[in-house]
Amino acid sequence: GENVGLHLPTLSVQEGDNSIINCAYSNSASDYFIWYKQESGKGPQFIIDIRSNMDKRQGQRVTVLLNKTVKHLSLQIAATQPGDSAVYFCAEIRLNYGGSQGNLIFGKGTKLSVKP
Amino acid sequence: DVKVTQSSRYLVKRTGEKVFLECVQDMDHENMFWYRQDPGLGLRLIYFSYDVKMKEKGDIPEGYSVSREKKERFSLILESASTNQTSMYLCASSNWRASGNTIYFGEGSWLTVV
Repeated sequence: GENVGLHLPTLSVQEGDNSIINCAYSNSASDYFIWYKQESGKGPQFIIDIRSNMDKRQGQRVTVLLNKTVKHLSLQIAATQPGDSAVYFCAEIRLNYGGSQGNLIFGKGTKLSVKP
Repeated sequence: DVKVTQSSRYLVKRTGEKVFLECVQDMDHENMFWYRQDPGLGLRLIYFSYDVKMKEKGDIPEGYSVSREKKERFSLILESASTNQTSMYLCASSNWRASGNTIYFGEGSWLTVV
């Protein structure tokens, strides 16, 4: 979920289990949502994105669900592996000026720990 | 693959020094960004640029300036480094389009100001 203090929310799962990471976003006018994975000491890596006119999108082992009614986004990781251990954060994009520019808002992230 | 390259991974600078952080992208992207990332505070936007020679302030521009003389290069400048600018700095680039959008990040530059 969203960070409300100085500490990142943490999700600990057993290897092989499914993980669900949640994110609440702020603006119902956002056009795109992206999930990023950030491993320790590295830059964020794009995982998957979803347009605001969709409610589900699947990638390889990952599924993003978008619930616009409650402004909630989730990332599901199937069969979680130790290599999935990282901080995951969502971003929302609001396009303006006819789509030529955009504003990005990032969530603060959730730390996923995978136990072998 | 999109590549965003930050020239310096680790830097240690003294208080008052002028610091340049360089970023180059190879995808002909219009937009480039500089963020800093601090524990518990997430990503905070310092400056961004929509085109060559254009720049816009982000959420925390104080103490920073930027330069975009060429489309592929976006530089972050700390005119007089201070200890509270010790952080991880992330450069990113993107193009906005109706068919799909994402923003690609570099690997980050860890700056320590002593």
